[in-house]
Amino acid sequence: QVQLMQSGAEVTKPGASVKVSCKASGYTFAGHHVHWVRLAPGQGLEYMGWLDPSNGGTSSAQKFQGRVSMTGDTSISTAYMELSRLRSDDTAVYYCARNVAGAGNAFDIWGQGTMVTVSS
Amino acid sequence: QSALTQPPSASGSPGQSVTISCTGTSSDVGGYNYVSWYQQHPGKAPKLMIYEVSKRPSGVPDRFSGSKSGNTASLTVSGLQAEDEADYYCSSFAGFNNVFGTGTKVTVL
Repeated sequence: QVQLMQSGAEVTKPGASVKVSCKASGYTFAGHHVHWVRLAPGQGLEYMGWLDPSNGGTSSAQKFQGRVSMTGDTSISTAYMELSRLRSDDTAVYYCARNVAGAGNAFDIWGQGTMVTVSS
Repeated sequence: QSALTQPPSASGSPGQSVTISCTGTSSDVGGYNYVSWYQQHPGKAPKLMIYEVSKRPSGVPDRFSGSKSGNTASLTVSGLQAEDEADYYCSSFAGFNNVFGTGTKVTVL
């Protein structure tokens, strides 16, 4: 069964960092880009960036450049997203998603989401 | 990169059709045939409904269809059913990354 399993909820303080993991199973992890998307309370989906697990290549949306780091460990089929210098408006559910095979930037398998709460 | 523009809400009675628009620019929607649509129910992860403008993943009913003209893409849901009530988001490739639409809440009356 193809799936992405994310780490559990996090509560953290402004100025700190958070690292979310996303473990892939049921497919070749290195064969598909992994994307990160978030959904803040009362807001819409927001695209953060992607990781190419085969070579570690990444690209992040301009809004997150300098604050987000996306990495992967092919030995354990796991992708990571670390967001630093957290603010209260970073409170959101963070999702990882797999790119559709052979298709341009569409996401067919999603993790269950990780709630990150930033509060003093 | 600015969010793509979608109407905040749309509605229809069971069996009717509803069409949601997604307006961008020549740098995203108009520049690539890489528009996708997602359905999201409250508390659930998004689900891919359409990719590459008009392709349906396996398992998605053919009641869902997509199209594009210029800088505007559209999702049509025909034969509305109660379970179609959800938030819908478009997304487009925009050079190096993607951008999402503002989201549309579809209500089945």
